Parts: sequence; C-alpha cells; structure tokens
Amino acid sequence: QSVLTQPPSVSGAPGQRVTISCTGSSSNIGAGHDVHWYQQLPGTAPKLLIYGDSNRPSGVPDRFSGSKSGTSASLAITGLQAEDEAEYYCQSYDSSLSGYVFGTGTKVTVL
Amino acid sequence: EVQLVESGGGLVQPGGSLRLSCAASGFTFSTYAMSWVRQAPGKGLEWVSSFSGSGGSPSYADSVKGRFTISRDNSKNTLYLQMNSLTAEDTAVYFCARAPGQHLGDLSFFHYWGQGTLVTVSS
Repeated sequence: QSVLTQPPSVSGAPGQRVTISCTGSSSNIGAGHDVHWYQQLPGTAPKLLIYGDSNRPSGVPDRFSGSKSGTSASLAITGLQAEDEAEYYCQSYDSSLSGYVFGTGTKVTVL
Repeated sequence: EVQLVESGGGLVQPGGSLRLSCAASGFTFSTYAMSWVRQAPGKGLEWVSSFSGSGGSPSYADSVKGRFTISRDNSKNTLYLQMNSLTAEDTAVYFCARAPGQHLGDLSFFHYWGQGTLVTVSS
C-alpha cells in the first residue's frame, strides 16, 4: 500500500483553482525529503510536473505549482483547463523503507 | 530527444520468469541512474528498482527483493529487469524511467518515462 496519502478525486470548473494534498510521515516528507509530482493522462505514461517541491521542468505551464510544509505537500492548479483532466501522483523518498514512494493518486475532473 | 522504449512483456505463468529491456537514446546513458516503476491495472504507481549510472549497488522495493534483478549494459544503452518467481501480484505495466543525474538518493525523481510494457502473470 502507498505510504503517501492523496484524496481520491478533486474537481473544478474551467478557470478555477484546485489543490491536491499529499500527506506523508516523519520518514519521508517530514524528514525533509523532496516531493515531486507527476501527471498521468489516460492511457499514457506519467510525466514529471514538479520536482524538488516547487520547481517546474521546462515546458510545464506556470499554472502548476508545488509547496511543502511539515509532513505534507500540495500541488495547485490555477486556471483549470480541460486538458488538465488526469491522474496526479506525488512521490518522495522514504528513509525507513530505503526506497522511493508514491502517493495514492488523485483524479482531477474538469466540470 | 530522450527516448526510452521498453520491451519483453507478455503473458507468463505463475512461478515463471521474464526479462524486460529498456532501450535508451538521445542522451549519454552511462551517466544517468535508471529505474523501473510499475502500475498494476487500475492502480497507482509503485517503484520497483533503481541502478546508478556507474558503479554502486542496485536498490529494490521489498515486494520484489530476492526475485527481481536490475542490470544495465552501458555499451548497448540498455536497462534490464530480470523477473523470477512471478506471481499474479506482479501483473502490471512496467515503466523504465531516467533519473535527473548519475546518482540515486533521497533527492532523486523520475525525469523521463518510457511508454511501458505489460506483464501479465496468469495460468
């Protein structure tokens, strides 16, 4: 089972702002390990969206932003667009497991 | 352009073995750490194994430790995953992914991904 917990789904109208939480523990996010976010469109491979808590790779719109505090992290999508409808996953490193862990995933629906 | 192309998936009986390959191009393969990540049908992502760019020991998720072996041939720009003693719980799409640098660690993430290859374990 996943070590990082995300809400199963979030939704919003076009143009709105939505946020996705990623809750971990003292052995991963709370230990200061970086949090990264991926977007997975239906039937495709995941794509890196945010790395190092809040950095966007080249080509990722600035509508996507990441933050971290304590044992949790968040992904915000502002100006929601139909093309943002996808599954989103957070990822970090877990010191207790000595490995990489993913969140449970959040389905974003554009109303 | 970074390209990762997985192959070797298919149907295998419980207890059987399979070897996956990931052909890399568009970058200097030997200077990047590589990983395998899997996704069971309708489920989330699960890290499987990683190998640094040169030297170092591979790392494995507890769920596959002792059964799976990751390796790489830098002369062929190819990453491998040897999977033994397969069970139904190993049924998944297996993705090959490239790290941002040569070394693995707590800061590492999965920068580029292949399209995946489906492994189905069933009798």
